[in-house]
Amino acid sequence: GENVEQHPSTLSVQEGDSAVIKCTYSDSASNYFPWYKQELGKGPQLIIDIRSNVGEKKDQRIAVTLNKTAKHFSLHITETQPEDSAVYFCAASIGNDMRFGAGTRLTVKP
Amino acid sequence: NAGVTQTPKFQVLKTGQSMTLQCAQDMNHNSMYWYRQDPGMGLRLIYYSASEGTTDKGEVPNGYNVSRLNKREFSLRLESAAPSQTSVYFCASSESFFQPQHFGDGTRLSIL
Repeated sequence: GENVEQHPSTLSVQEGDSAVIKCTYSDSASNYFPWYKQELGKGPQLIIDIRSNVGEKKDQRIAVTLNKTAKHFSLHITETQPEDSAVYFCAASIGNDMRFGAGTRLTVKP
Repeated sequence: NAGVTQTPKFQVLKTGQSMTLQCAQDMNHNSMYWYRQDPGMGLRLIYYSASEGTTDKGEVPNGYNVSRLNKREFSLRLESAAPSQTSVYFCASSESFFQPQHFGDGTRLSIL
């Protein structure tokens, strides 16, 4: 089955700086890569996703890049704000098998 | 504008007790999912339902059963709770198969 590694486990940045979270996956046939944001006491919220036929996708301050050859994908948040503080999860799926990374706790300091 | 609603939000059980976690979505989604979340780990899939009338095992199904009551509702049952099932349980739904979009706020379950 799929295996997803996520780094770093914690990330602290100053407000206005950029944050980058990286994930690697094991199954080269994986074709869907979502990212979720989870605030304290809440369920995960889908923030952006990318499919294997696309190399990059952007939505305002967030972007995701996919390198199929290296089997890794990354979440980029620019101009971070305190409300970006949360736990972020990546995932990779193929068919009916989706696996999640262990999460990155992002803290944005004002 | 409810999205995915889970009940209860918190529950404490004794070992061996049974209970059912309820989940309902109001987005007319075909696919629904149950996950558990443990500290330091990502979400792990317990069971899923691709469409009304169908259910399938996920990564960690042992000790659980599910029912897709109708298109809106997908329940998770613990027949004989064990301390290893202490976790936060999330229900999710999606329009496309295996692309979970909307999650509930979770049920925090402790088994003593």
